Amino acid sequence: DAGVIQSPRHEVTEMGQEVTLRCKPISGHNSLFWYRQTMMRGLELLIYFNNNVPIDDSGMPEDRFSAKMPNASFSTLKIQPSEPRDSAVYFCASSLAGVGYEQYFGPGTRLTVT
Amino acid sequence: GESVGLHLPTLSVQEGDNSIINCAYSNSASDYFIWYKQESGKGPQFIIDIRSNMDKRQGQRVTVLLNKTVKHLSLQIAATQPGDSAVYFCAENRGTGNQFYFGTGTSLTVIP
Repeated sequence: DAGVIQSPRHEVTEMGQEVTLRCKPISGHNSLFWYRQTMMRGLELLIYFNNNVPIDDSGMPEDRFSAKMPNASFSTLKIQPSEPRDSAVYFCASSLAGVGYEQYFGPGTRLTVT
Repeated sequence: GESVGLHLPTLSVQEGDNSIINCAYSNSASDYFIWYKQESGKGPQFIIDIRSNMDKRQGQRVTVLLNKTVKHLSLQIAATQPGDSAVYFCAENRGTGNQFYFGTGTSLTVIP
């Protein structure tokens, strides 16, 4: 299995631009999680999906952030417009749904907003 | 509540020594815990897990101890190797869904 796949691995953009991060979960996993990691705040859960349905988006910082999961094998996290404070590493993780299943993390996307 | 402080605890150990990394969790309803290892430039990787009906679980060179009374979790690494150098996170599932809440992490440096 290729594991969780994220793209791009690095993204540098200017303030105000739209940024789209992509994730392909492990085949057969039906839960998908988006995290943001910074030195200041550590690893924060932004949103997660079960069976393509958003379950908890309370971690999404503000309306500039949106996430979709149109099918079981693809999810996007979009920031529009981007701001310098959005600079972070964004991780996608997947797991089987239900309590007691470990999450498998992708390699992350390092976003820099100038 | 969850600690999301600015300061990452650090631990330095000599190669071959045992390491103990500690984690305090906040929610008494938490029933499943995982330790993750994150190497530089990579995503967190699963090391070992433990459920709340256990107080100890062993893996290869790693042991997790759970003390529910004081809401404390520890990870013991035997015969620490340079490849163990990383940031280690504990994560708790609070039993209300399948999301995990991560601690701030501990940076482990192994001195050859």
